[in-house]
Amino acid sequence: GDSVTQMEGPVTLSEEAFLTINCTYTATGYPSLFWYVQYPGEGLQLLLKATKADDKGSNKGFEATYRKETTSFHLEKGSVQVSDSAVYFCALKGSGFQKLVFGTGTRLLVSP
Amino acid sequence: EAEVAQSPRYKITEKSQAVAFWCDPISGHATLYWYRQILGQGPELLVQFQDESVVDDSQLPKDRFSAERLKGVDSTLKIQPAELGDSAMYLCASSPGSAANEQFFGPGTRLTVL
Repeated sequence: GDSVTQMEGPVTLSEEAFLTINCTYTATGYPSLFWYVQYPGEGLQLLLKATKADDKGSNKGFEATYRKETTSFHLEKGSVQVSDSAVYFCALKGSGFQKLVFGTGTRLLVSP
Repeated sequence: EAEVAQSPRYKITEKSQAVAFWCDPISGHATLYWYRQILGQGPELLVQFQDESVVDDSQLPKDRFSAERLKGVDSTLKIQPAELGDSAMYLCASSPGSAANEQFFGPGTRLTVL
């Protein structure tokens, strides 16, 4: 079945450092790919998405490019802030009525 | 801004008791999802509704869990009896339709079973 693999955390960075969180997937067909963020005690918020190969999703300084050849959707940000500290989930969804399949999440800790 | 509402936010119960969670999706959203998120893991789909009909409940432990969305609007998820392993965050999400790419999540209900 479809699956998502994320790098294990926590990822610990200093403010203004460069962020990469790796995500790879296994799926049949051409899924849509997502990054969700979960702040402490809250539900999930959609951060960005890409629906086809070579699409780049971006939001709030975060970017991720849908790479079909490497089945990857790595999350990047050029300069992280303390407020970016959260858990980040990579997810995929097949076409039509397919459900969202999530990775296990990667915790990001940013120190001043 | 429209949001998915859930209640209660926190629930502590003893094993073998019954618990119920409520979700009110964004107005007009036909599809409603219940997820379970065990600490340190990603959410897993329990049940998906399209209007009042169940589309997918393949991961719902039907011997103890039930879900309903009688009028195709708000929804209730029930556990009876609760077990220690049910301790988790229960998330509700909604989307305009099953084929829609974006799901909007509520704040969740954190269940602790003692």
